[in-house]
Amino acid sequence: QQKVQQSPESLIVPEGGMASLNCTSSDRNVDYFWWYRQHSGKSPKMLMSIFSNGEKEEGRFTVHLNKASLHTSLHIRDSQPSDSALYLCAASMQAGGYKVVFGSGTRLLVSP
Amino acid sequence: GPKVLQIPSHQIIDMGQMVTLNCDPVSNHLYFYWYKQILGQQMEFLVNFYNGKVMEKSKLFKDQFSVERPDGSYFTLKIQPTALEDSAVYFCASSLFGNGEQYFGPGTRLTVL
Repeated sequence: QQKVQQSPESLIVPEGGMASLNCTSSDRNVDYFWWYRQHSGKSPKMLMSIFSNGEKEEGRFTVHLNKASLHTSLHIRDSQPSDSALYLCAASMQAGGYKVVFGSGTRLLVSP
Repeated sequence: GPKVLQIPSHQIIDMGQMVTLNCDPVSNHLYFYWYKQILGQQMEFLVNFYNGKVMEKSKLFKDQFSVERPDGSYFTLKIQPTALEDSAVYFCASSLFGNGEQYFGPGTRLTVL
């Protein structure tokens, strides 16, 4: 059964600092990775998606993907207190009927 | 931006009763999903739905669960009968493509007594 592992479980960074979050899939057939952010009591909102090897940057957020190791990472620079949330990594396969598997998340706290 | 609506926001029922959770997805989206999240814990995939059919379902999608979207109306999750362990927040999501961004609704908090 496909698993998505995220690390660390929780992370505290100072305001203005860099937060780095990791995610690895156990299934070699994974095609797509997403990063979602979920504030407490709210629904997840997609931050970024990445489907190809390499790097993608949008504002303060950068995502990397290494398909050979099935590892993706999310980096948040100039972290703000409003970035404090649960960050969820998700993976799916076209061959798997687009079934989505989420990791258990990284809880980020940005301290003012 | 695009919005997914869920009705009701909170439902309390007795164990063994039937419950229907309703989702109004983004209007032009083609793929629909249900997820279960127990408070503060992992988001668990239940099922996805496309072209009137279930595409994939997880082990959490028990025989007591069913989904449908009759005539392009609400996308519904029915649980009959409910069990105590069904208590959770159920999120609906929709996307235009199978590998597209999923837009999540605000969730329905189900409490089974």
